[in-house]
Amino acid sequence: ETGVTQSPTHLIKTRGQQVTLRCSSQSGHNTVSWYQQALGQGPQFIFQYYREEENGRGNFPPRFSGLQFPNYSSELNVNALELDDSALYLCASSERLGNTEAFFGQGTRLTVV
Amino acid sequence: AQSVTQPDIHITVSEGASLELRCNYSYGATPYLFWYVQSPGQGLQLLLKYFSGDTLVQGIKGFEAEFKRSQSSFNLRKPSVHWSDAAEYFCAVALSNDYKLSFGAGTTVTVRA
Repeated sequence: ETGVTQSPTHLIKTRGQQVTLRCSSQSGHNTVSWYQQALGQGPQFIFQYYREEENGRGNFPPRFSGLQFPNYSSELNVNALELDDSALYLCASSERLGNTEAFFGQGTRLTVV
Repeated sequence: AQSVTQPDIHITVSEGASLELRCNYSYGATPYLFWYVQSPGQGLQLLLKYFSGDTLVQGIKGFEAEFKRSQSSFNLRKPSVHWSDAAEYFCAVALSNDYKLSFGAGTTVTVRA
């Protein structure tokens, strides 16, 4: 077990709605990254937060946004959901910024109908 | 363009037989290299990583990987597979001055009795 927990584990939303996914990082980790994994594909980097500020973003539209809190828990928010947003969303925490080992949570399976 | 390629979508291997999963990358510089495993409905678990030094890397669960700079490859091997090794395997890379993991599309491993 990595110590990274995500909630909820599964979620069904309707197209056009908004969703918030949550991640609790491993203790002592100040960096969190979010990934989207569509069915049958590898994870795609969404963005990373370091000490409560966004520190890099992948090729995702602005309706994907995030927050990191002082206790290093974080949220991924997606507005105006589209059917293609259906995926497994993974968060990964790292002890520090840079290429150290990233510990992944179990993911949140989002289904948009 | 930067990319990570896993040429084999699906591999079937007999229990007790050896396993080799291929990974090739296309980057301007030697990236940091990782192999992750994902069991159905689960998050990603790090098997091993290569940053520098000895090109043969030992990981968990009896896996090893060899970095070959001349071939831009980082192939994963296991001498004798167990039924519990059935899973999806992802190769990932990160640049030394970057912060995100770029994943290949994954290889599904099926283990037959």
